[in-house]
Amino acid sequence: QKEVEQNSGPLSVPEGAIASLNCTYSDRGSQSFFWYRQYSGKSPELIMSIYSNGDKEDGRFTAQLNKASQYVSLLIRDSQPSDSATYLCAVFTGTASKLTFGTGTRLQVTL
Amino acid sequence: GAGVSQSPSNKVTEKGKDVELRCDPISGHTALYWYRQRLGQGLEFLIYFQGNSAPDKSGLPSDRFSAERTGESVSTLTIQRTQQEDSAVYLCASSLGLADTYEQYFGPGTRLTVT
Repeated sequence: QKEVEQNSGPLSVPEGAIASLNCTYSDRGSQSFFWYRQYSGKSPELIMSIYSNGDKEDGRFTAQLNKASQYVSLLIRDSQPSDSATYLCAVFTGTASKLTFGTGTRLQVTL
Repeated sequence: GAGVSQSPSNKVTEKGKDVELRCDPISGHTALYWYRQRLGQGLEFLIYFQGNSAPDKSGLPSDRFSAERTGESVSTLTIQRTQQEDSAVYLCASSLGLADTYEQYFGPGTRLTVT
């Protein structure tokens, strides 16, 4: 079992719709979770961090965390073509003091 | 303020040569990480530095790879006797510290091509 799992996609959503990106992790002791956006040929850019169960909203982005289910998600409201990118889920493994990344979900927002 | 910077942005080298990649973290960030990203794949942790503590080298793929950092400043990643499988983008990230609430910010990366 991979430590951090994401569906590779592509996930295709029409412009203006809600995109839902999901991530599961295996280390039950993980406390910190991050979403990065990576455009093709560019480095990852931090979008959201979440540390507590529940929802955290920042503009059009909402991160959701459920530690009991070991599940974290990212919702993008009013999706725009400029949101088309690969979204990386990252989990901080406290015992190893490092971020473990999923392989990413490619999002395509269509006109 | 200035973000993480890396140099060179691109490096083409012949198999068997040594290469040095440089990372300059955000000022005040005590933790520095190196990752490798092969084409179409996820990020692979290589090594991290935190202040003056011994680095965590657990992700280095072979003894051809080494890294140094002087204090809380610049870091260099050295790959000796490069192989074609070393071709990848090498990413550096820094954070305020090692605690799990500290967010990591990435530099633009160095694209290494071994011919």
